[in-house]
Amino acid sequence: DADVTQTPRNRITKTGKRIMLECSQTKGHDRMYWYRQDPGLGLRLIYYSFDVKDINKGEISDGYSVSRQAQAKFSLSLESAIPNQTALYFCATSDWAGTEGTDTQYFGPGTRLTVL
Amino acid sequence: ILNVEQSPQSLHVQEGDSTNFTCSFPSSNFYALHWYRWETAKSPEALFVMTLNGDEKKKGRISATLNTKEGYSYLYIKGSQPEDSATYLCAFKTSYDKVIFGPGTSLSVIP
Repeated sequence: DADVTQTPRNRITKTGKRIMLECSQTKGHDRMYWYRQDPGLGLRLIYYSFDVKDINKGEISDGYSVSRQAQAKFSLSLESAIPNQTALYFCATSDWAGTEGTDTQYFGPGTRLTVL
Repeated sequence: ILNVEQSPQSLHVQEGDSTNFTCSFPSSNFYALHWYRWETAKSPEALFVMTLNGDEKKKGRISATLNTKEGYSYLYIKGSQPEDSATYLCAFKTSYDKVIFGPGTSLSVIP
């Protein structure tokens, strides 16, 4: 079984709808991240969480919110989806302590979101 | 604003050719430099992490070097094979706990 899972894997929705993307991990890592990938722009950080009580905005957090329900679960919400949020979304975890602070990232399989 | 750049943006090589590409990052506030390999329809997977100036890492035909003073890392692939076709991402971790990804270099190896 995959260590980092994302649901759904694909989603098509309409402008104005509320969407939640879910991420679960079995790696036991404290740190979790949400990224979006757009062609030519690499991975851009939306939100990150260093433990259950810690939530931080990334470089492109506007229009998104997150919830860290447990160490293993980190959800990303689009309160009112718009077409320019069409992208590939990745969840990732990292083990700060185990990697001496280097934060090697372990990625989920991605969620392809299309907003019409 | 911290910027991580990678060049070239894309590369096409013949099977058997050796190739290399570059990741440029700020030379201040350095903590670690990561390389990831990202195959089409899959997730990025970690290749190397380097933390010290002059570090060299090697995994099979792929190797990487690090120069933190001038802010660059090279990734080398010796004798490219079609299965090396992927996007190679670098990620710069700062001493104040930020991780910034570069845009990637897309490599296509032609059989």
